[in-house]
Amino acid sequence: GNSVTQMEGPVTLSEEAFLTINCTYTATGYPSLFWYVQYPGEGLQLLLKATKADDKGSNKGFEATYRKETTSFHLEKGSVQVSDSAVYFCALTYNTDKLIFGTGTRLQVFP
Amino acid sequence: DAGVIQSPRHEVTEMGQEVTLRCKPISGHNSLFWYRQTMMRGLELLIYFNNNVPIDDSGMPEDRFSAKMPNASFSTLKIQPSEPRDSAVYFCASTLRGGTDTQYFGPGTRLTVL
Repeated sequence: GNSVTQMEGPVTLSEEAFLTINCTYTATGYPSLFWYVQYPGEGLQLLLKATKADDKGSNKGFEATYRKETTSFHLEKGSVQVSDSAVYFCALTYNTDKLIFGTGTRLQVFP
Repeated sequence: DAGVIQSPRHEVTEMGQEVTLRCKPISGHNSLFWYRQTMMRGLELLIYFNNNVPIDDSGMPEDRFSAKMPNASFSTLKIQPSEPRDSAVYFCASTLRGGTDTQYFGPGTRLTVL
């Protein structure tokens, strides 16, 4: 079946450090891929998405590229801020309205 | 737009009591999703509706859980009777058409069953 695997957290970084959160997927076809972010005490919100291979999603300095060859959609940011501290979820959908989420990766950024 | 509205934000109840969680999706959205989030199990899809019709309820844990969507602007998730293991944060989300459309999440209801 379709699934998403994320790196275990927490990821702890100092402000202005480079961020990578790994995400790989298993799917029977070519899914659409998403990153959602959950700030403390809030619901999830879409951060970025890519709907076909080689697409790059970007938002708020975050980027992720849909890599069909490696079935990956890693999240990156060049310089993190304390305000980026949150839980990040990778997700996919394929031929359905349902999103399949990864387990989430907690990011903690310290000044 | 007000976004997805959920009520109550917090609910504390005793085991065996009935609990009703409420959700108002974004106006014009045709798909509505109920999720449950716990530390142990992460984020789980319980049920979703398209055009007020339940499409997939395979995530509903057991017969104690039921969900309804009587019209396009309101949905309920009911637990009867509640048990301590139902303690979780319950989220409602809506999308314009489903599929690859963005899901907009409400702020969640934190349920504690004593």
